[in-house]
Amino acid sequence: QMQLQESGPGLVKPSETLSLMCTVSGGSITSSTFYWAWVRQPPGKELEWIGNIYYGGSTYYNVSLKSRVAISVDTSKNQVSLKMNSVTAADTAVYYCVSGVVIASRPQAFDYWGQGTLVTVSS
Amino acid sequence: DIQMTQSPSTLSASVGDRVTITCRASQYVSDYLAWCQQKPGKAPKLLIYKASTLKSGVPSRFSGSGSGTEFTLTISSLQPDDFATYYCQQYNHYPYVFGQGTRLEIK
Repeated sequence: QMQLQESGPGLVKPSETLSLMCTVSGGSITSSTFYWAWVRQPPGKELEWIGNIYYGGSTYYNVSLKSRVAISVDTSKNQVSLKMNSVTAADTAVYYCVSGVVIASRPQAFDYWGQGTLVTVSS
Repeated sequence: DIQMTQSPSTLSASVGDRVTITCRASQYVSDYLAWCQQKPGKAPKLLIYKASTLKSGVPSRFSGSGSGTEFTLTISSLQPDDFATYYCQQYNHYPYVFGQGTRLEIK
């Protein structure tokens, strides 16, 4: 059973860079069967997709965040990372690492979710 | 961007009731529609994918239907564990979009 665990600073100052890691167990980051994603949820609000990364390294980002976001993988550590620069209070949210399977080159629904990590943007 | 609109936003019901939640997409999403359940302080859990396929291990009282732009999630007989917030999500087009959520509360 795949498990995802987010880690990173819980407090980031405005204008700085948010950096989170997701450690994957029970599955390989290098498998073409899976894709990896980040989703966030501001307190009391709905879920927002941030972006996906696929086998081979191709990425797709939410246009609303695209210029500030980068998702990458570290195959040596079996980890997925999220970096978001120039953060503001509006980026305060619980950030989830998510995964799904790829079937016939088509990403399927988000099947595995990490427990989430709260990141607060404040000076 | 596609917009996903759920109705109702809040639903009050009793144990044993049959309830239906609707999700409408502003554009065609085929059957690339998922439903997930979220409880306070917890991560969402996938219930249904491809609009009507029940994830393994999810109770059979949950069912999904629809295609194109209109979808429904039905719980045939509410159990105490089902009181939570439910989200639909389209994954046919980028950006992936979630509905605003339907909070299912005890009457």
